[in-house]
Amino acid sequence: AQTVTQSQPEMSVQEAETVTLSCTYDTSESDYYLFWYKQPPSRQMILVIRQEAYKQQNATENRFSVNFQKAAKSFSLKISDSQLGDAAMYFCAYSNSGGSNYKLTFGKGTLLTVNP
Amino acid sequence: DTGVSQNPRHKITKRGQNVTFRCDPISEHNRLYWYRQTLGQGPEFLTYFQNEAQLEKSRLLSDRFSAERPKGSFSTLEIQRTEQGDSAMYLCASSLAATLYNEQFFGPGTRLTVL
Repeated sequence: AQTVTQSQPEMSVQEAETVTLSCTYDTSESDYYLFWYKQPPSRQMILVIRQEAYKQQNATENRFSVNFQKAAKSFSLKISDSQLGDAAMYFCAYSNSGGSNYKLTFGKGTLLTVNP
Repeated sequence: DTGVSQNPRHKITKRGQNVTFRCDPISEHNRLYWYRQTLGQGPEFLTYFQNEAQLEKSRLLSDRFSAERPKGSFSTLEIQRTEQGDSAMYLCASSLAATLYNEQFFGPGTRLTVL
């Protein structure tokens, strides 16, 4: 079974600074998808960024980028120029890329606080 | 259509009662997922539908839980004889098959409190 580990229960960052959230995972598959989801307080989960395992190039979406290290099974999220609206719970998630069920396996989350 | 909707948003019930939640996915999405999220944890997979067929159920889904997706549209999740341990946020997500990454779009969730 796949597992996802987020070792930082809480992180804080000053507005306009950069923060990196860590994620490691375990799988025996060679191809799979990895995601970072954001869950603001009392609001629904939204996708921040995604990565396919066989693509070596790290994904980037505006201020969000990932550092994907396949051999180390590591998938960290970097948020640049942090904004107050980035404050949320962030979840790292894994999904198979084949078969019929693309269920997500989530980590426990990292609560990000952005200080003005 | 603005996204995945779930009703009710909050449900308080007494132990032993039955509850039913509804999820309306994005209209063209043929895949639908239910997850459960307890305090301080990430969501955990419960069950998955492709169109009207329930293709996988987690071992977390005891016999007291049942889910349906008639005609491949909305889905319901019923919990019979609720227990205090069932208190959680129940999340629904939908996706479109054959899209890269099978991106799942989440609803706002139904928060269940069992007294």
